[in-house]
Amino acid sequence: AQTVTQSQPEMSVQEAETVTLSCTYDTSESNYYLFWYKQPPSRQMILVIRQEAYKQQNATENRFSVNFQKAAKSFSLKISDSQLGDTAMYFCALIIQGAQKLVFGQGTRLTINP
Amino acid sequence: GAGVSQSPSNKVTEKGKDVELRCDPISGHTALYWYRQRLGQGLEFLIYFQGNSAPDKSGLPSDRFSAERTGESVSTLTIQRTQQEDSAVYLCASSPPGVLGGNEQFFGPGTRLTVL
Repeated sequence: AQTVTQSQPEMSVQEAETVTLSCTYDTSESNYYLFWYKQPPSRQMILVIRQEAYKQQNATENRFSVNFQKAAKSFSLKISDSQLGDTAMYFCALIIQGAQKLVFGQGTRLTINP
Repeated sequence: GAGVSQSPSNKVTEKGKDVELRCDPISGHTALYWYRQRLGQGLEFLIYFQGNSAPDKSGLPSDRFSAERTGESVSTLTIQRTQQEDSAVYLCASSPPGVLGGNEQFFGPGTRLTVL
């Protein structure tokens, strides 16, 4: 079975600062994908960034980047130059290639303060 | 529509009543998923459809829960004899054909179910 753990229930930073959200996971599979989803108060889950486990290069999307450490089974999200609109719940998720279901962590509530 | 839609947005029901939740996936998306999100929690997988067949029902919490899908379009999640522990947001997602497990799942806004 796969598990995803987010150890930071809440985080708060000032606008324009950099913040890193932690995620660790456990799986015995070698081919899988990792995701960070954002869920604002509207409840809409929005994909932030995606990482294929077979790729060594860390994924980046504008102000969002990941630090993927496969051996340590760690997948942290870094948000640079944080903006008020980044305020949301952030979920780390894992899916095994060939499987159907995303396995989610418990989430981190991120607040960006003006 | 442009995205996954779900109805109703909110549903309040009395314990013991049946409820039906609807999901309209993105046109052309062959895979459809239902998840449950309890207050302050992550998402729990309920069921997955490929076309109108459901090869994975492993997440359905009890026999009070069932789901069906018409072709590669609308899906309904039915909860019979609702209990207070069924209160949650029910999220639907769809994904296009491709590498299973590798495609992004596009989520709808969810239905918030409250059982009194």
